[in-house]
Amino acid sequence: SQTIHQWPATLVQPVGSPLSLECTVEGTSNPNLYWYRQAAGRGLQLLFYSVGIGQISSEVPQNLSASRPQDRQFILSSKKLLLSDSGFYLCAWSVTRGNSPLHFGNGTRLTVT
Amino acid sequence: SQQGEEDPQALSIQEGENATMNCSYKTSINNLQWYRQNSGRGLVHLILIRSNEREKHSGRLRVTLDTSKKSSSLLITASRAADTASYFCATDAYTGGFKTIFGAGTRLFVKA
Repeated sequence: SQTIHQWPATLVQPVGSPLSLECTVEGTSNPNLYWYRQAAGRGLQLLFYSVGIGQISSEVPQNLSASRPQDRQFILSSKKLLLSDSGFYLCAWSVTRGNSPLHFGNGTRLTVT
Repeated sequence: SQQGEEDPQALSIQEGENATMNCSYKTSINNLQWYRQNSGRGLVHLILIRSNEREKHSGRLRVTLDTSKKSSSLLITASRAADTASYFCATDAYTGGFKTIFGAGTRLFVKA
């Protein structure tokens, strides 16, 4: 069966520090991968998606970047965090884009201080 | 802008009662999905209904879709305390590439 791992679960970082969140998927090949951010009590905002190794699409201009160095690995990064980067970050995968459900990791709670 | 908007924002019911949550959207869609999120956790997919379907069931869940009104409803029958969670609708639409867009969610609290 397929599983998705996301870490760390919680992270407290000072303003201006770098960020690296990692997500890996097991049990499937060539998944579509996504990074979402969820503000407190709100819905999810799509940040990045990837349909293959090295293929990244950005949905929202921001202080963050994403990379997919391996088929089942998706990394969210920042060189210098801002206070506004605080939030709940969720990684997800799907079989296809459109008409297939998203499968989410357990998320990373990021607090920038 | 947000595609799906859930109504109500929050709902509190007694165990055993039915819970109904509604979702409205703005543009044409390929499908609509409902997800559940327990506090501080990731979302779990509940059900997907395609644009040519009108109703779908899964256990105690019943989802309807009315494309003419651009709306959907999620009914949870005989609710349990364990159903306490946030519920989100999400729409898949093709706009130069498929995008799954989520609403702000309905927070459901089921009192034992």
